[in-house]
Amino acid sequence: RKEVEQDPGPFNVPEGATVAFNCTYSNSASQSFFWYRQDCRKEPKLLMSVYSSGNEDGRFTAQLNRASQYISLLIRDSKLSDSATYLCVVRDGGATNKLIFGTGTLLAVQP
Amino acid sequence: DGGITQSPKYLFRKEGQNVTLSCEQNLNHDAMYWYRQDPGQGLRLIYYSQIVNDFQKGDIAEGYSVSREKKESFPLTVTSAQKNPTAFYLCASSTPVVGGYTFGSGTRLTVV
Repeated sequence: RKEVEQDPGPFNVPEGATVAFNCTYSNSASQSFFWYRQDCRKEPKLLMSVYSSGNEDGRFTAQLNRASQYISLLIRDSKLSDSATYLCVVRDGGATNKLIFGTGTLLAVQP
Repeated sequence: DGGITQSPKYLFRKEGQNVTLSCEQNLNHDAMYWYRQDPGQGLRLIYYSQIVNDFQKGDIAEGYSVSREKKESFPLTVTSAQKNPTAFYLCASSTPVVGGYTFGSGTRLTVV
């Protein structure tokens, strides 16, 4: 089983749509969780951290369910500029501070 | 501005050659990392260093070597022993405790 699993997509949605991405992780000792965004042929950039109580940043909402080892990202009112690959990222439970990356979910927002 | 600089942006290597990818950061981060990304795959950890003069192998270290002689610098050498080196290489750094990584803009290596 992969340490971090995501649906690769692609998710093709019209502008203005709401879209949700899900991610599961295998290590119950994981303590920190993130969503990164990666544009084509570019480096990943931190979109938002994911907190236990859930958190929101503008049109983006992240949720964490520790019992199910499940993370989600909701994007409301999709813009063309949201088109990218969204990476689910989990810090491993050991002392090394390593981040484990999912393979990413591709989002294509259509005009 | 603080950040991570990777060079070169594009690199072409002949089979049998060693090449070195540069990674420099001025964020005063202790930890640095090298990842490889292949099309359709996630980032895979090659090597990481949590402190100067110390580094550990990641998941796919075979055919690669690193050094960490300075806090700011973490160069990666792709040796001729790496059988399939064509990939996008990403360097990152972080503080040791919390937070995510800051990535460089990457080096795209192609074997010709």
